[in-house]
Amino acid sequence: GAVVSQHPSWVICKSGTSVKIECRSLDFQATTMFWYRQFPKQSLMLMATSNEGSKATYEQGVEKDKFLINHASLTLSTLTVTSAHPEDSSFYICSARDPTPGFQETQYFGPGTRLLVL
Amino acid sequence: AQKITQTQPGMFVQEKEAVTLDCTYDTSDPSYGLFWYKQPSSGEMIFLIYQGSYDQQNATEGRYSLNFQKARKSANLVISASQLGDSAMYFCAMRESPSGYSTLTFGKGTMLLVSP
Repeated sequence: GAVVSQHPSWVICKSGTSVKIECRSLDFQATTMFWYRQFPKQSLMLMATSNEGSKATYEQGVEKDKFLINHASLTLSTLTVTSAHPEDSSFYICSARDPTPGFQETQYFGPGTRLLVL
Repeated sequence: AQKITQTQPGMFVQEKEAVTLDCTYDTSDPSYGLFWYKQPSSGEMIFLIYQGSYDQQNATEGRYSLNFQKARKSANLVISASQLGDSAMYFCAMRESPSGYSTLTFGKGTMLLVSP
């Protein structure tokens, strides 16, 4: 399957600081990437859809000014958690949709980023 | 109403036995896709298998097969010959196709524990 990388794999920061997470598709061009958040023992919740060259589409209840998404190239999307607070501590995981015909729009996931805000 | 329902919070199976993880879905979209992902304790989401709503045959990938019963709206994952490394969370997900782009909706997951 396609390879998606994510950096950093974990981060600890102080309350009020901003944290940037990168998501890269390594062996294919991804016009669409997705950002999810997963709290302990819960399922993945879609936060936003990141489209290359245009604004991200946020899910209901997700603050777009707090979770800034930039999809500047076909292989890179970034999520910036601005003014992070302890309640933002979570596992953030990105995915990229492989547009290659025959891949049924399968989403391939990065390894995730564990964020801990103190 | 939940779009993806996984009724088994946890399942136990002995090594080398087969196990079925249940998944039911709800959609009015005639074109949809069903996915199963495995999430080990490391957190990564590993794609296992895909079934399209128009596919005539059940999907199979190695030891994984998908028991697709369209009329019942169920897409159960069958793992044959379980291995210790199969211990993980398993998520069923559905892709619908509203407005020309697709997002995934996940179920709550089933924790599978494989014992020696």
